[in-house]
Amino acid sequence: EIVMTQSPATLSVSPGERATLSCRASQSISNNLVWYQQKPGQAPRLLIYGASTRATGIPTRFSGSGSGTEFTLTISRLQSEDFAVYYCQHYDNWSRTFGQGTKVEVK
Amino acid sequence: QVQLQESGPGLVKPSETLSLTCTVSGGSVSSGNYYWTWIRQTPGKGLEWIGYIHYNANAYSASTTYNPSLKSRVTISVDTSKNLFSLKVNSVTAADTAMYYCAREAHSSQFYYNYGMDVWGQGTTVTVSS
Repeated sequence: EIVMTQSPATLSVSPGERATLSCRASQSISNNLVWYQQKPGQAPRLLIYGASTRATGIPTRFSGSGSGTEFTLTISRLQSEDFAVYYCQHYDNWSRTFGQGTKVEVK
Repeated sequence: QVQLQESGPGLVKPSETLSLTCTVSGGSVSSGNYYWTWIRQTPGKGLEWIGYIHYNANAYSASTTYNPSLKSRVTISVDTSKNLFSLKVNSVTAADTAMYYCAREAHSSQFYYNYGMDVWGQGTTVTVSS
């Protein structure tokens, strides 16, 4: 079973600053990675698929990178609506596995 | 646009069967390159993928894939006449208490490329307690 580990658990950032979130896979997963954003009381929202492709309607300040075992989600200039929990998710032919999430909070 | 809505009992007794339905509106559960998916979320374990179903309209058949850790207790089915898909979890315990989401996972033709879970229901809370 592939384990997805996200770091840090909590990231304190000021509005307008850059946020860099990490996701590590326990073994190589190529670019089979998706990022989601979840706000309190809401379902997750698709941000990035294929490790680096923004989903429809996602602002350009969100970018994903990485391949193999190391992945990064970068939010270039944090807006107030970006404070949320972010999850990475791996997929293959047999399963999907989520990371435990990174909470981005106001510094 | 496509919308999903979960429904079902909010309280289930231990050892009984949890049954949820996800109604699809604005689209068809029997068309397109989609996996109709169930996910649950708890404060302790976070997001957990339960499984998905895909309906092949050309073959009039459905195929399923389940989380290996839940496979022995889970069944996902589809009702094309009602445009919905369902989840059953047998022999529930307190560990099955969670927020349950249904979602649509989109794919390219031939299912070569995974576009992620692009549509989610609002979720429904299920508590297992006597």
